[in-house]
Amino acid sequence: ETGVTQTPRHLVMGMTNKKSLKCEQHLGHNAMYWYKQSAKKPLELMFVYNFKEQTENNSVPSRFSPECPNSSHLFLHLHTLQPEDSALYLCASSQDGTAANSPLHFGNGTRLTVT
Amino acid sequence: QQQVKQSPQSLIVQKGGISIINCAYENTAFDYFPWYQQFPGKGPALLIAIRPDVSEKKEGRFTISFNKSAKQFSLHIMDSQPGDSATYFCAASMASGTYKYIFGTGTRLKVLA
Repeated sequence: ETGVTQTPRHLVMGMTNKKSLKCEQHLGHNAMYWYKQSAKKPLELMFVYNFKEQTENNSVPSRFSPECPNSSHLFLHLHTLQPEDSALYLCASSQDGTAANSPLHFGNGTRLTVT
Repeated sequence: QQQVKQSPQSLIVQKGGISIINCAYENTAFDYFPWYQQFPGKGPALLIAIRPDVSEKKEGRFTISFNKSAKQFSLHIMDSQPGDSATYFCAASMASGTYKYIFGTGTRLKVLA
């Protein structure tokens, strides 16, 4: 399997649930990212990991908790979410998280609905 | 200063026509400007990118025009095809510490057959 794979594709959860999003990249990249995509808004960077170290937390609420056990895997743990957290969550990877022209490779996202 | 303003929000073009999407930025530290294409149900994919040391870059039917003094750049799709129907995002980034892109709000393009 190639590219960036995200699971699940769709997730519906109640506000009291705990769930996790998973991302795996098969590109040999060293940086991984979580983005939030909401309608009519710019893609919103949430977290960046470079060589497994978190290098960016873009003021994300603590109900979102990332985990990067190795350069190929990235998780986003979710708990006590709010309805406004409903969105498409995109994982991406790049060869080098510190290089300006290191293109992002995105997965197809997890469509999250919080009820 | 960190925003990238993109227009139009949506665009309808006849097959064979030219699609033009515009972006503007404020931060002169940005030094890499990619365009991403996103089809429904898919993640964005890099389409074409430009550095500010050139004014134009062309790849097939896709061209980026860059105006450094005006702090604007645009995507031109020549001979637009129905298969080009997608959402297009411009972005900007700078080489400073942890690299990150600032994205525009996207343009939904529909090319009529």
